[in-house]
Amino acid sequence: GNSVTQMEGPVTLSEEAFLTINCTYTATGYPSLFWYVQYPGEGLQLLLKATKADDKGSNKGFEATYRKETTSFHLEKGSVQVSDSAVYFCALSDYDYKLSFGAGTTVTVRA
Amino acid sequence: EAGVAQSPRYKIIEKRQSVAFWCNPISGHATLYWYQQILGQGPKLLIQFQNNGVVDDSQLPKDRFSAERLKGVDSTLKIQPAKLEDSAVYLCASSYGLAGTTDTQYFGPGTRLTVL
Repeated sequence: GNSVTQMEGPVTLSEEAFLTINCTYTATGYPSLFWYVQYPGEGLQLLLKATKADDKGSNKGFEATYRKETTSFHLEKGSVQVSDSAVYFCALSDYDYKLSFGAGTTVTVRA
Repeated sequence: EAGVAQSPRYKIIEKRQSVAFWCNPISGHATLYWYQQILGQGPKLLIQFQNNGVVDDSQLPKDRFSAERLKGVDSTLKIQPAKLEDSAVYLCASSYGLAGTTDTQYFGPGTRLTVL
């Protein structure tokens, strides 16, 4: 079956530090890949997505590249801000179009 | 554009009691989803509606959970009777396209249920 494994947290960083959250997946077909973010007190929001191999999704300074050879979709940001403190979820959607989520990674950025 | 609305935001009940959650999706969205998110885990799909019909309820514990989407707009999710292991955040999401697409899902803030 489909599954997503992401880096365990929590992750604590200082402002302007580089952030990487690892995500690997197992899927039957050729899935679409997503990163969702949940800010404190808010609902899940789509951060970025990629629908085929070698695609790069980007938004708000975050990037992730769909790597089929390593079945990975790692999230990166070059310089984080306090406002990036949130829980980040990696997810995939396969032939059945259902979303399968990872367990989430809590990121805290300190000023 | 108003987002997905859910109520209540928090609910505390004792085991064996019943509880209902309400969701109002974004206007015009055909597909509605209910997810269960247990602490420390990612959301798990419980049921998916397209308009007022059920597309997928394979993960819904039908002995105690029920859901409906009358008139293809609002939806309610009910648990009767609740168990301790039902303590979780219940998320509602909607998407514009029909089921079977990768349209972006928009999530509500969730209802946090605590079963004592």
